[in-house]
Amino acid sequence: GEDVEQSLFLSVREGDSSVINCTYTDSSSTYLYWYKQEPGAGLQLLTYIFSNMDMKQDQRLTVLLNKKDKHLSLRIADTQTGDSAIYFCAEISDYKLSFGAGTTVTVRA
Amino acid sequence: NAGVMQNPRHLVRRRGQEARLRCSPMKGHSHVYWYRQLPEEGLKFMVYLQKENIIDESGMPKERFSAEFPKEGPSILRIQQVVRGDSAAYFCASSPTSPGQETQYFGPGTRLLVL
Repeated sequence: GEDVEQSLFLSVREGDSSVINCTYTDSSSTYLYWYKQEPGAGLQLLTYIFSNMDMKQDQRLTVLLNKKDKHLSLRIADTQTGDSAIYFCAEISDYKLSFGAGTTVTVRA
Repeated sequence: NAGVMQNPRHLVRRRGQEARLRCSPMKGHSHVYWYRQLPEEGLKFMVYLQKENIIDESGMPKERFSAEFPKEGPSILRIQQVVRGDSAAYFCASSPTSPGQETQYFGPGTRLLVL
């Protein structure tokens, strides 16, 4: 199974907040990442958090990290139709990124 | 500053043919990583290269797959005698300096379809 786990689907109404959750396994990961993948496209780095931080905010994005529970979340405020995509969380060990299977976010009007 | 470039973007091969996937890292980046994404899955690490050196190929199948990053030119991922199970999206990423926690920037991927 996957070392990094995410829920597979999230449906959210336009204008609401989206919260995507992730659990990871490697407590030595010093950075944790969120990537966005639109259909047929590559991965776009959205944001990342250093492991000694609890929270990071970047415009509409808020990342929360609970290192004790190895839980990472991404909150997207005021979700727009352009936010529809697959979101991957990833941990890094040395130079190898390990990804979850991705959460498909669908924004409905 | 151009991002990571990959070509072709789409590649169709028949079983038994060879597939060659190319990756040009971002300017100033000398570290290249290849990942494979099977349908409905996350990306899996395949290989890490620096110029003229394979640093870690632990994620690469032992047979039919090879990778290089020559002194001049792009990194190449080569798949010989392709089979249907090789159908996937292959992503290249690059980073500027030594391994560790450097952010990896991804290319648009090559989507390989084996008929």
